[in-house]
Formats: sequence, structure tokens, C-alpha cells
Amino acid sequence: DIQMTQSPSSLSASMGDRVTITCRASQTISNYLHWYQQKPGKAPTLLIYAASSLQSGVPSRFSGSGSETDFTLTISSLQPEDFASYFCQQTYTTPPTFGQGTKVEIK
Amino acid sequence: QVQLVQSGAEVKKPGASMKVSCKASGYTFIGHYMHWLRQAPGQGLEWMGWINPNGGAINYAQDFQGRVTMTRDTSISTAYMELSGLTSDDTAMYYCARGGRMIRGVYDYWGQGTLVTVSS
Repeated sequence: DIQMTQSPSSLSASMGDRVTITCRASQTISNYLHWYQQKPGKAPTLLIYAASSLQSGVPSRFSGSGSETDFTLTISSLQPEDFASYFCQQTYTTPPTFGQGTKVEIK
Repeated sequence: QVQLVQSGAEVKKPGASMKVSCKASGYTFIGHYMHWLRQAPGQGLEWMGWINPNGGAINYAQDFQGRVTMTRDTSISTAYMELSGLTSDDTAMYYCARGGRMIRGVYDYWGQGTLVTVSS
């Protein structure tokens, strides 16, 4: 199975901060890397697909980059509704696997 | 609009089976893979398998082989996931998620989740 290593596991940030979360795959996954947001008690929602494509309806402050094994999710200016957990996922091979998540908390 | 609506929370005894339904609307049901995942309390997401509603082909995660059965009823656009031999380790929120038209597609819509608690 492909291991997805996400960092950091948690971070504290203030509103307006630029936040970067990284995800590293244990082998190349091309651009089959997706980012999800999850709020407590809710299902995940898709933010970014294929490494850098913004899902319809997602604010443009979210962006993704990377390819092969190293990927980044960036929130350009943190908003109150962005305090949540974020997961990366690869769908390049079966089984699809997820990073362990990054919890973004209020500083 | 696309919606996936799951069945309600369940409490089960160890050794019992559970069956969760996922009713799809707002798109052509047979046009997209349907995935099942779970999330234990405070933990990450675990993929359980997929079903292709167009024909019924399935692929289960190795950890669930022999215990999970995924089916669908195209007449009512509903997918089902049954898990047998429950233990306390199966206590989790279970999700269905719409995949792409191909196996590698992203999961763009998720059900609201079904909480299953396994307790004696």
C-alpha cells in the first residue's frame, strides 16, 4: 500500500494567516492526489482534486500544488470557517489511502 | 443537486451484522463508482471498498475480505454495505462516497455518515 505522510499533524494559526500543509507519498502517484476538509461531526468535503484543481464552490484562497510524491495545500488567508481538519488522499493505486490528517486550530 | 442519504445510526451486539444503505439522487447512479469508508472515533479515514453500480463489480479492502458485502439496487439508486462479525473495533462512522467514472476518480460527494456502535 502507498503510505501518505501528512505534516504537521496539527497547527495553531490566526485569522488571516497563510497556512501550508504538506503530504508526501511513499511512491509516485502522478497527480492522483486530493484534499478534503472535515469539520467535527460532519462528512469530509472535497477541496482540491488532481493535486491542483479547485472543486466547484470552494473559495479561491485554497490552492494545491505538487506532483509525483510531494504535494502542498495552501490556505492563503485563514478564515473562521477554515478551522477544521484536512486530509490528503491518493487514488493512484488500490487501496486508496489517506494521510493521517492535519487539525487547524485557532491560536 | 447530487445527494447521498444514508440510513440511520445503529447499535449492535458483538458478533452481529450491520447493513447501511446509501440512496443517491441528482445524477445517473450507474455512471459513478460508489465507495465505502469508515472513521473510528478520533481517527483517520479507512477505505473499505467500492462497487460499480453498472454491473455490480466489487473490490474490497484486504482488511475486510470475508466480512463485507457491497450490493446495489439500481431501480432505487441505492447502494448497500453489510459488515458481519462485528467487534468493538468496528465502532465507527461509516460513509458512502461517490467516486469518479473511472476507478481512480476523486470522491466528490459524501453521505452524511452512519454511526454504528458495537457494544455488549
